Amino acid sequence: AQSVSQHNHHVILSEAASLELGCNYSYGGTVNLFWYVQYPGQHLQLLLKYFSGDPLVKGIKGFEAEFIKSKFSFNLRKPSVQWSDTAEYFCAVTLTTGRRALTFGSGTRLQVQP
Amino acid sequence: EAGVAQSPRYKIIEKRQSVAFWCNPISGHATLYWYQQILGQGPKLLIQFQNNGVVDDSQLPKDRFSAERLKGVDSTLKIQPAKLEDSAVYLCASSPGTGNEQYFGPGTRLTVT
Repeated sequence: AQSVSQHNHHVILSEAASLELGCNYSYGGTVNLFWYVQYPGQHLQLLLKYFSGDPLVKGIKGFEAEFIKSKFSFNLRKPSVQWSDTAEYFCAVTLTTGRRALTFGSGTRLQVQP
Repeated sequence: EAGVAQSPRYKIIEKRQSVAFWCNPISGHATLYWYQQILGQGPKLLIQFQNNGVVDDSQLPKDRFSAERLKGVDSTLKIQPAKLEDSAVYLCASSPGTGNEQYFGPGTRLTVT
């Protein structure tokens, strides 16, 4: 069965620090990849997505992610975090055929200290 | 564009009682999903509809959970009878079709005592 692993459960950073959140997936076929974010008190929102093409994708608010097929990874990065980036971040995967529901990782809680 | 609407936002019930959640997807979205998110975990799919037909309900505990999407628009998810382990946030999401980006509602936080 497919699965998604997020290695960091809780990350604490100071403002202006760089961020990298790990995501690895276990899937047998071609995949679509997503990062969702949930700010405190708000609902899940799409941060960025990869369907095909350039493996380096850019999302909202200065976030980017790189798809490395050989490593089954889709890590999220931001060069300089802000206090407003405090949130929970979820990596998610779907197959490109058949069942298309998202399989989520367990999430990473990011706390940015001013 | 209005987002995905869910109600109620919060619900507290005793075990063995029944509960129902409602979802109104974004207008025109053919695909609707119900997810269960237990505290400290990522959302897990319960059921997926395409229009008013079920695409995937393999992870739905059918002995106590049921869902329907009449007329291919609104959907309801029911739990009867509830167990303590059903305490979670129930998320509804919709997308224009399968394989597209999913848009999530605010969720219903269920506490079973």
